[in-house]
Amino acid sequence: KNQVEQSPQSLIILEGKNCTLQCNYTVSPFSNLRWYKQDTGRGPVSLTIMTFSENTKSNGRYTATLDADTKQSSLHITASQLSDSASYICVGQGGGATNKLIFGTGTLLAVQP
Amino acid sequence: GAVVSQHPSRVICKSGTSVKIECRSLDFQATTMFWYRQFPKKSLMLMATSNEGSKATYEQGVEKDKFLINHASLTLSTLTVTSAHPEDSSFYICSARDRAYWSSYNEQFFGPGTRLTVL
Repeated sequence: KNQVEQSPQSLIILEGKNCTLQCNYTVSPFSNLRWYKQDTGRGPVSLTIMTFSENTKSNGRYTATLDADTKQSSLHITASQLSDSASYICVGQGGGATNKLIFGTGTLLAVQP
Repeated sequence: GAVVSQHPSRVICKSGTSVKIECRSLDFQATTMFWYRQFPKKSLMLMATSNEGSKATYEQGVEKDKFLINHASLTLSTLTVTSAHPEDSSFYICSARDRAYWSSYNEQFFGPGTRLTVL
């Protein structure tokens, strides 16, 4: 069964600190792994997309890693800002005819001053 | 670029009425659009895949007569919730795939969502 699991479920950090969010996925066949940021009451916004051949990808203060062997991914946020408070969703996409997005339940991040 | 809009952003309606939600790709053409539903603190759940000029493909458990989808043009898809009931209250999000942009990433661009409350 295709599924994506994320940890932790929620996280509180102080402004300026770094944090790392985890994602384990079981998606077969596998096409790519994505991280989205979703502000409350808004649609998801893409942060990074990686295929199985990519190990790391950065987007500003966001750095995602992918280990296709262990089927794990992480999202590292550097020097957090109050505006980083949001839900971060890990999404796997199947390959071939089954190219649906498999969504994780997200990690709710709260950055406090 | 790659902006997707939704209208309305929020709607409140009485039980038994129908509500139409629009999803537009503003700066690209989308042969395929997707409709998702999200409950509080839950993940997005795909409801249906909408292809321009053809019937939508619904996910298992989604009533096609309840959730009518029309994708009449390359920039517009609509979701109509018919005879809405309080349990239909949810956050509805659409996404669109750019027909001119193909890569191994197979990108989808999400709209800002529509909050539906049925009284």
